[in-house]
Amino acid sequence: AQSVTQLDSHVSVSEGTPVLLRCNYSSSYSPSLFWYVQHPNKGLQLLLKYTSAATLVKGINGFEAEFKKSETSFHLTKPSAHMSDAAEYFCVVSDRGGSARQLTFGSGTQLTVLP
Amino acid sequence: SQTIHQWPATLVQPVGSPLSLECTVEGTSNPNLYWYRQAAGRGLQLLFYSVGIGQISSEVPQNLSASRPQDRQFILSSKKLLLSDSGFYLCAWSRGFLKGGTTGNTIYFGEGSWLTVV
Repeated sequence: AQSVTQLDSHVSVSEGTPVLLRCNYSSSYSPSLFWYVQHPNKGLQLLLKYTSAATLVKGINGFEAEFKKSETSFHLTKPSAHMSDAAEYFCVVSDRGGSARQLTFGSGTQLTVLP
Repeated sequence: SQTIHQWPATLVQPVGSPLSLECTVEGTSNPNLYWYRQAAGRGLQLLFYSVGIGQISSEVPQNLSASRPQDRQFILSSKKLLLSDSGFYLCAWSRGFLKGGTTGNTIYFGEGSWLTVV
């Protein structure tokens, strides 16, 4: 069985300050982990993914995430927030990197960026 | 490159009316296809997936159905909508059952359809 918990439903930061969106997972096998972003009235866009290669994963728009097996975490970070980063972010886990029908989505974190 | 198209983008339907949301994928063959629903304040829920033409698997019992009449076409339907069917529906695709590599398990989403049942 697999599950994912996004620890904050809302995060608010000021423009230019760091972003941290937290995600913890549980998985019976070696998981694949993803972060997706959803802007208002838009579909989901893949930010980055971890598939058992390097534990520090770099994604688009300056985001990165670090896979920490000992902590079962996959937190998303960005050094400096931009107004365009305001969106909802989903952490996703898939057991064994297998079929996408086995994806489990977190409940999402709404990121607000203040001017 | 691969693209996924989903329509209509928004839909307001009365209770008891039928529903048809359509999704097509271009630039790939034999994709896995998915319908997800995102209810307000909640994460995504997988509704249906399909590994081939005419092959539909339902993840949760509900008032909806799905069909795959062609390789790259996936349709979400209902004969009679309920208020609880309101939400944001996303079509998605992934490559077939590939083992290994870094792209075999990535899922790509359409832009979504907002359904409001009134």
